[in-house]
Amino acid sequence: DQQVKQNSPSLSVQEGRISILNCDYTNSMFDYFLWYKKYPAEGPTFLISISSIKDKNEDGRFTVFLNKSAKHLSLHIVPSQPGDSAVYFCAASAHSGGGADGLTFGKGTHLIIQP
Amino acid sequence: EAGVAQSPRYKIIEKRQSVAFWCNPISGHATLYWYQQILGQGPKLLIQFQNNGVVDDSQLPKDRFSAERLKGVDSTLKIQPAKLEDSAVYLCASSLAGGVTYEQYFGPGTRLTVT
Repeated sequence: DQQVKQNSPSLSVQEGRISILNCDYTNSMFDYFLWYKKYPAEGPTFLISISSIKDKNEDGRFTVFLNKSAKHLSLHIVPSQPGDSAVYFCAASAHSGGGADGLTFGKGTHLIIQP
Repeated sequence: EAGVAQSPRYKIIEKRQSVAFWCNPISGHATLYWYQQILGQGPKLLIQFQNNGVVDDSQLPKDRFSAERLKGVDSTLKIQPAKLEDSAVYLCASSLAGGVTYEQYFGPGTRLTVT
């Protein structure tokens, strides 16, 4: 049972336009959500996160939106740049026993920025 | 600040052989994680340590996989004997213990090929 789902394996966007990556989750215990970016032959790099008590978090060109009632989050990249071409993973975590659990990841979305 | 270090970067072994991976987390990070990433999938948590104690190993195939974190710093993950389906990238990550946020920082990974 996949608890974090990224239904778009790939996404192609023109440079300068907005990239929107989507993620759905099923586990109501998740209280923290993160986006990671991954280049080939490298480990995932933390990008941006959001707590379940918020509905939006912004960091420069990156904004994450959380819709708890729909169990849906999205990552917006504006404007998209060639260096943004990578695989993006959505991840979720929960608190248990006072500490953070390990992350549950989606399968990733390969973002391709076209010049 | 030095990142998470892992070695080796690549390993090729035959099935039924044994293999070990090493991880050195970011200095001061008490929590250490091992993930397995199979091609086309997101990383899957294998084991989580808090200092040198195991917090979660529910997804670790304990008949063939073992991990330890002596002295609460470095960690090793071992597979014995390896199977073809163990071919994957093994990622180590670390995070601050007891933090409000959940960001985990990943190493570059070890790509294992079992033939």
